[in-house]
Amino acid sequence: EIVMTQSPATLSVSPGERVTLSCRASQSVSSNLAWYQQKPGQAPRLLIYGASTRATGIPARFSGSGSGTEFTLTISSLQSEDFAVYYCQQYNNWPPWTFGQGTKVEIK
Amino acid sequence: EVQLVESGGGLIQPGGSLRLSCAASGFTVSSNHMSWVRQAPGKGLEWVSIIYSGGNTNHADSVKGRFTISRDNSKNMLYLQMNSLRAEDTAVYYCARNPGPFDPWGQGTLVTVSS
Repeated sequence: EIVMTQSPATLSVSPGERVTLSCRASQSVSSNLAWYQQKPGQAPRLLIYGASTRATGIPARFSGSGSGTEFTLTISSLQSEDFAVYYCQQYNNWPPWTFGQGTKVEIK
Repeated sequence: EVQLVESGGGLIQPGGSLRLSCAASGFTVSSNHMSWVRQAPGKGLEWVSIIYSGGNTNHADSVKGRFTISRDNSKNMLYLQMNSLRAEDTAVYYCARNPGPFDPWGQGTLVTVSS
């Protein structure tokens, strides 16, 4: 089973700031990596797949990069609606499909 | 519009059984890989079960032998039969289309296992 590790666990930021979230896989997942956003009381929403492709309707301020074992989600200028928990997920070696433990982006 | 709507959650005693349903619209369940993913209160996401478009299934080790995923092609529905429920199965259960990444997701249904 591939273990996904996200850092940091919590990030305190101000609106307008640039945010970088990290995700590391215990072994290579090539570019088969997705990012999700989850707000309280809501289902996760797909943001990025293929490590760097934005899903339909996702604003351009969200971008993903990386391959192999190291990945990054960047929010270029944090908006108020972006405060949420972000999860990475690998779909290279399955089953099982595995998620990181999440990074909470909170208001500073 | 592509949409998934779960139902069937509730409070159940340890050792009991429950069947979750997921109604799909805007696409055909039988032509897609479909999964259940759960989230314990305040915790992260855990993949539970998948039914492939061809009909084969897989389950996480934590539920193997207790949970069964199935579908009804005529109703465009996905199901999760959960038996021998334990306290650690308490979670919001989401159904999701699963071509690799999970998209879309339903709104989730809460299962609480408690006496």
